[in-house]
Amino acid sequence: EPEVTQTPSHQVTQMGQEVILRCVPISNHLYFYWYRQILGQKVEFLVSFYNNEISEKSEIFDDQFSVERPDGSNFTLKIRSTKLEDSAMYFCASSEQGSYNEQFFGPGTRLTVL
Amino acid sequence: QKEVEQNSGPLSVPEGAIASLNCTYSDRGSQSFFWYRQYSGKSPELIMSIYSNGDKEDGRFTAQLNKASQYVSLLIRDSQPSDSATYLCAVCGERGFNKFYFGSGTKLNVKP
Repeated sequence: EPEVTQTPSHQVTQMGQEVILRCVPISNHLYFYWYRQILGQKVEFLVSFYNNEISEKSEIFDDQFSVERPDGSNFTLKIRSTKLEDSAMYFCASSEQGSYNEQFFGPGTRLTVL
Repeated sequence: QKEVEQNSGPLSVPEGAIASLNCTYSDRGSQSFFWYRQYSGKSPELIMSIYSNGDKEDGRFTAQLNKASQYVSLLIRDSQPSDSATYLCAVCGERGFNKFYFGSGTKLNVKP
C-alpha cells in the first residue's frame, strides 16, 4: 500500500541552525502539506502546496520557513535559524486532490532544538 | 479563529462495548470531516471521512454528521484494547479548503 515517507525520523540541532525535513508523498498525489505537533498539543497546519507553489499557509509559517519540491518525488520543509520553540513533530501529508480530500500522513520527523 | 472542540477524556470503555466520540466545530461553512487515530508518538492514521449529513459505516466504525448542529461523531462498535489511542477530529473549512483544523483529540482506553 502506498505511503508517505519522511526523513530523518529524528533531527537534533542547535538553536540558530538551519534544518531541512524531507518527505516523499504518495506518487499519484498532487497536494502536499506540512503540519506540526508540539508535544501534548494539537496538530497544527503549516502550509499546503500544489502545482509547485504554496496554496495556503498559516500564521505560524513565517519567513523562517520555506517549502520546495526539488524534484518529482521529494517535498521539503526548510527551517532557517531554528528556535527552541520549533521543537515538535513535523508531519508531511499528501492528498490525491485538494479540496476536501482525505490526507494521508507520513510517520513524522521529531525535531529537537537545543 | 476556527475551532474544533473535543472532550479530551480519557474515555474508558470495557472490551466489546461501543465507544462514542464527539466533536463540534465553529465554521458553519465547513464541508468535509475526518476522523484520525493517533497512537502515542505516532502520526495520525485516517479512519474515515464524511461529507454529507447522516451516518457512514465502515466495518466497526460509524461516523455521524449533523451540519445544522455543527456536530460530528464517531462510534466504535465491539471496542478492542488495540483501539486504545487518541482520536482526532479534523475539519476542512469552506475558505481553507486545502487545510485541516484538528481538535485536541479524545483519549480512548478500552479495558480488557
